[in-house]
Amino acid sequence: ETGVTQTPRHLVMGMTNKKSLKCEQHLGHNAMYWYKQSAKKPLELMFVYSLEERVENNSVPSRFSPECPNSSHLFLHLHTLQPEDSALYLCASSHGPSGGTYNEQFFGPGTRLTVL
Amino acid sequence: DQQVKQNSPSLSVQEGRISILNCDYTNSMFDYFLWYKKYPAEGPTFLISISSIKDKNEDGRFTVFLNKSAKHLSLHIVPSQPGDSAVYFCAASARNQGGKLIFGQGTELSVKP
Repeated sequence: ETGVTQTPRHLVMGMTNKKSLKCEQHLGHNAMYWYKQSAKKPLELMFVYSLEERVENNSVPSRFSPECPNSSHLFLHLHTLQPEDSALYLCASSHGPSGGTYNEQFFGPGTRLTVL
Repeated sequence: DQQVKQNSPSLSVQEGRISILNCDYTNSMFDYFLWYKKYPAEGPTFLISISSIKDKNEDGRFTVFLNKSAKHLSLHIVPSQPGDSAVYFCAASARNQGGKLIFGQGTELSVKP
């Protein structure tokens, strides 16, 4: 496997379910990100982990819970979601931050989530 | 308030001609800009970037221009090819604001043979 992988690629869940999204990067990066992309909207940064520590939490509801057990893996645990949470969830990784900037981010293919 | 804006949701260009994708920003602290390309069912892929100390960066058929006074950047693709058909996102970051990327809404480019 190369690059950034995400599983599952598609997920349909009910509002009472608990599920997890998984991301794995094979690029030797030390920063990982979760983004949400809703239809016709820009990518929204949700969480940033740098060296396995959360450095950014963009006012995301607590029904989204990230976990970064090591620099290669990132999870997004989902529980009691709402239909408006249906979106494409993208994981990314990068070197850095170095010198205060986040270098070019490499994205996974995303998980298309539908909440019924 | 959207700090990075791509006002054209779509653009159609003939193969072989130039494609020009535009992006405007409002935050004068942004000092690094990137363009990403996204095909359906795939994640965005990095295309080209530019630092605020430059006004032009070229990589093969792709050139990014930065006009800091106008807070405007553009991506030129020449000659355009059908395989360039995708959604293009511009993104910006500010060193003294954590450096996280702020994305525009994207412009869908269609290159017709």
